[in-house]
Amino acid sequence: DSGVTQTPKHLITATGQRVTLRCSPRSGDLSVYWYQQSLDQGLQFLIQYYNGEERAKGNILERFSAQQFPDLHSELNLSSLELGDSALYFCASSVTLAETDTQYFGPGTRLTVL
Amino acid sequence: GENVEQHPSTLSVQEGDSAVIKCTYSDSASNYFPWYKQELGKGPQLIIDIRSNVGEKKDQRIAVTLNKTAKHFSLHITETQPEDSAVYFCAASIEGSARQLTFGSGTQLTVLP
Repeated sequence: DSGVTQTPKHLITATGQRVTLRCSPRSGDLSVYWYQQSLDQGLQFLIQYYNGEERAKGNILERFSAQQFPDLHSELNLSSLELGDSALYFCASSVTLAETDTQYFGPGTRLTVL
Repeated sequence: GENVEQHPSTLSVQEGDSAVIKCTYSDSASNYFPWYKQELGKGPQLIIDIRSNVGEKKDQRIAVTLNKTAKHFSLHITETQPEDSAVYFCAASIEGSARQLTFGSGTQLTVLP
């Protein structure tokens, strides 16, 4: 158990809908990362927050957004969902942004878009 | 941006044998190389990492080697056990990138009893 929690575990929805995925980092971790894992694209970095502020963006679609709240939990919002958005979404956390920091991954949310 | 290639995509070994997984990276500015193990239905779990200022690191049955000149790094697992069966991912991070990890495509390791 990495100490990172994600809810829900599974999510099934229809095309065009909007969903919110939630992540609670390990106690004391200030940085949160979101990754998407799909069969054709592998594990891809989406976005990173540090202490409430966006720090880096990867291959995140404009239909996707995220935020980190004062209690450090983070939410990833996916809107106008398409079939191709079906994937595993992982959250990871680390203490800071230091070179020595390890990213600890949560168990993921499996999103299925029908 | 950074590109990480990983080989092989699948690897089967007999219990007790060694397993080697290789990765190459494209950006010479990369300086941090973690390896993650992902079991079915779980998130990736860090098993070992190496920074660009060292060439080799060991942790019991697991070792990682780094060749900065050739821009490749490898994971070595000795005395494999059935519980080592999983998907293994290599990754690379560029200095100053706020720890944005670029992952390889993964290797499905199967240890046959």
